[in-house]
Amino acid sequence: QQQVKQSPQSLIVQKGGISIINCAYENTAFDYFPWYQQFPGKGPALLIAIRPDVSEKKEGRFTISFNKSAKQFSLHIMDSQPGDSATYFCAAKRTQKLVFGQGTRLTINP
Amino acid sequence: DTEVTQTPKHLVMGMTNKKSLKCEQHMGHRAMYWYKQKAKKPPELMFVYSYEKLSINESVPSRFSPECPNSSLLNLHLHALQPEDSALYLCASSQVAGFTDTQYFGPGTRLTVL
Repeated sequence: QQQVKQSPQSLIVQKGGISIINCAYENTAFDYFPWYQQFPGKGPALLIAIRPDVSEKKEGRFTISFNKSAKQFSLHIMDSQPGDSATYFCAAKRTQKLVFGQGTRLTINP
Repeated sequence: DTEVTQTPKHLVMGMTNKKSLKCEQHMGHRAMYWYKQKAKKPPELMFVYSYEKLSINESVPSRFSPECPNSSLLNLHLHALQPEDSALYLCASSQVAGFTDTQYFGPGTRLTVL
């Protein structure tokens, strides 16, 4: 119930393409869904986040799509760039706890 | 400014040593967190402090001892660690530990236990 399932584990996209990472959860008590980007040797950095009463949120090239009935949410990176190559974690929050997905290693080929 | 700082960046210690990790934030946040991250895995929550009081301990072994001296500082005292404790230790902070509180992470301390 506390799990967040993330897919795919790894993803290779050509420069300029769209990167899509998916997450699913079971616990309907989760009330906040952030995405973090992590480069090797660095801490996770907040990328974008959404509340469950919103179906889509866009910030620049990054968009979260949220499907409350299906308990799924996804990150879309438009016009993917080599600098976007990193590990991406979805997460779900309930009270003080943040539950992370297993991560997706994204590689953007030039 | 959304900066959380952590010192040291790297730490190598023997199993009989005592060492401490330090975390600092000046964003006025009243919730602070310790996470442990193994290679190619997501961060795992260890402790949560809310208004300088320990509110969550995720069944962490007693060889890890957190301390929150004030609202800006968070320490993690280490004693008699095992090699399997080698990991990236991340500190995070948020305004309060509640609804839609974004957690901001520091760069981490890379700990190696010999």
